Amino acid sequence: GESVGLHLPTLSVQEGDNSIINCAYSNSASDYFIWYKQESGKGPQFIIDIRSNMDKRQGQRVTVLLNKTVKHLSLQIAATQPGDSAVYFCAEMGQTGANNLFFGTGTRLTVIP
Amino acid sequence: DTAVSQTPKYLVTQMGNDKSIKCEQNLGHDTMYWYKQDSKKFLKIMFSYNNKELIINETVPNRFSPKSPDKAHLNLHINSLELGDSAVYFCASGRETNTEAFFGQGTRLTVV
Repeated sequence: GESVGLHLPTLSVQEGDNSIINCAYSNSASDYFIWYKQESGKGPQFIIDIRSNMDKRQGQRVTVLLNKTVKHLSLQIAATQPGDSAVYFCAEMGQTGANNLFFGTGTRLTVIP
Repeated sequence: DTAVSQTPKYLVTQMGNDKSIKCEQNLGHDTMYWYKQDSKKFLKIMFSYNNKELIINETVPNRFSPKSPDKAHLNLHINSLELGDSAVYFCASGRETNTEAFFGQGTRLTVV
């Protein structure tokens, strides 16, 4: 489920290992999902997206999996590098009059060299 | 080459003041947004605006108001600033159809 509490969820991985970041979304009517990466002092940057008619999409070193049954998204990063250290957000967009992105609680990924 | 740019990057001001943050996008997008990111990194949408409609998140105080002089700009005005307004504010833009939003680098507002 979604992370609730005072702390940003964290994930530490060794350089070269694979990372999996999970996200639960809230609206079953959402039909578009995005993963963003936010480095310190910067705005969120697009990584990969997926539409609700798909359950998997691959990019360069990243894969997003969508499970609509349980409203769950995951981001897999292969061969994690120090430059991957950042806060990662999933965001959902529904079929509304304006395209509002609703962000989940982020996960801080720390890559250990 | 900056796609979405905000000014200023840092803003420190006293309680009760009125301030503005400017945002410009050169991507030709139809929709622009303002988001607030709190100290726990939670990102919450404040406004969504295109040339047809303004959608306001109901939790945003009416001291906050967006102003769009043209399609490429969406400025954020804040009246009577309060300590709780301290946060990082992000401007973003996107196309009308379901595609990603592009974010500016953020404005860190500190109210003292």
